[in-house]
Amino acid sequence: DAKTTQPPSMDCAEGRAANLPCNHSTISGNEYVYWYRQIHSQGPQYIIHGLKNNETNEMASLIITEDRKSSTLILPHATLRDTAVYYCIVRAPSGGYQKVTFGIGTKLQVIP
Amino acid sequence: DTGVSQDPRHKITKRGQNVTFRCDPISEHNRLYWYRQTLGQGPEFLTYFQNEAQLEKSRLLSDRFSAERPKGSFSTLEIQRTEQGDSAMYLCASSLGAGGSGSEQFFGPGTRLTVL
Repeated sequence: DAKTTQPPSMDCAEGRAANLPCNHSTISGNEYVYWYRQIHSQGPQYIIHGLKNNETNEMASLIITEDRKSSTLILPHATLRDTAVYYCIVRAPSGGYQKVTFGIGTKLQVIP
Repeated sequence: DTGVSQDPRHKITKRGQNVTFRCDPISEHNRLYWYRQTLGQGPEFLTYFQNEAQLEKSRLLSDRFSAERPKGSFSTLEIQRTEQGDSAMYLCASSLGAGGSGSEQFFGPGTRLTVL
């Protein structure tokens, strides 16, 4: 799986959009970008994933650059409950198993 | 609640004791994973099951660690002769493996182990 780079921490004002960047310059053509988050003392939670098109679900939007070397997770209206560590992961689709390699992630602090 | 469950949620033990954790995956999920997470780090992969078969073990999984999934449903992770370095959160995840990209993993709440 390709390596990802994320800023270690970010702050965001409550109600504003949180934009979390991720660099994955060595991503290969069949690797997807996944985002998980981990709220304190809980297990990681899946948020969203994409290949090359932008994706949106009820939790977030994922914007992937045209060259696929970076992406941004957008939480459109951050709330205090969105305070968590956000992990960006790239991996190939399941043909075999799906070992997920987590980095350190970005610790997002939503400020009242 | 039909999510992944883990038991116990917390375990405190003395060095040298054996401990066993249980994971109940989402019922239709055929794939099960164990991870370990220490403070300030992301989860690290330990091992993976497809149905009852253990298909991969990380180098992190020393001889003191053993995992089983006897009937392809729940799984247990046992640590023998615990050491203080084993103190961590042990996470279980499951997925429905069928190819394609949509087989995201669903994680349980974890078991926090403290070895004194």
